[in-house]
Amino acid sequence: AAGVIQSPRHLIKEKRETATLKCYPIPRHDTVYWYQQGPGQDPQFLISFYEKMQSDKGSIPDRFSAQQFSDYHSELNMSSLELGDSALYFCASSPPLGSAYEQYFGPGTRLTVT
Amino acid sequence: RKEVEQDPGPFNVPEGATVAFNCTYSNSASQSFFWYRQDCRKEPKLLMSVYSSGNEDGRFTAQLNRASQYISLLIRDSKLSDSATYLCVVHPLNDYKLSFGAGTTVTVRA
Repeated sequence: AAGVIQSPRHLIKEKRETATLKCYPIPRHDTVYWYQQGPGQDPQFLISFYEKMQSDKGSIPDRFSAQQFSDYHSELNMSSLELGDSALYFCASSPPLGSAYEQYFGPGTRLTVT
Repeated sequence: RKEVEQDPGPFNVPEGATVAFNCTYSNSASQSFFWYRQDCRKEPKLLMSVYSSGNEDGRFTAQLNRASQYISLLIRDSKLSDSATYLCVVHPLNDYKLSFGAGTTVTVRA
């Protein structure tokens, strides 16, 4: 079965650079979520989109922005990168409402800021 | 205080043993409950949804106690491949995001 696709899988950036992470949800899933997971921590919710509109916002820094496009893929844009932004970034998708809100995670993008 | 609290473990058990652990949640309006497993440096994978009546999937049994606001997971006949971190996940009503516990680490030894 098709899964959530994330690219790139690994990314190395320097401080103050920008990064763009991409997420392609499972076909027919209409909601996309972004999570950040630091070493030894549980995933922290950043932001979500439902039908291309922002649906919820968590602990996303102002330096980050995201959007969902007409084909339902999403991009997380990160500017003025800091060392503390080094983490695993997961995208998850869920099927249309009424499906028990199960979220399916992609393999993640490992961002290293040097 | 975190919305979802879990015993971090680790639970070290021999192959074939039964292991069980709980998590508690603070938001009584929570609507949906899940157990995910996460292997080191990999994505969380949905193990099972948890229903009010309790549910079983092979060697895994999940229970939900809404009155006491806790969820449990029991693993029977443990396999080496069950070694992972098990994340208790709660979905509050009228919210999109999931609330994660910090995870319970299980190590199954030969």
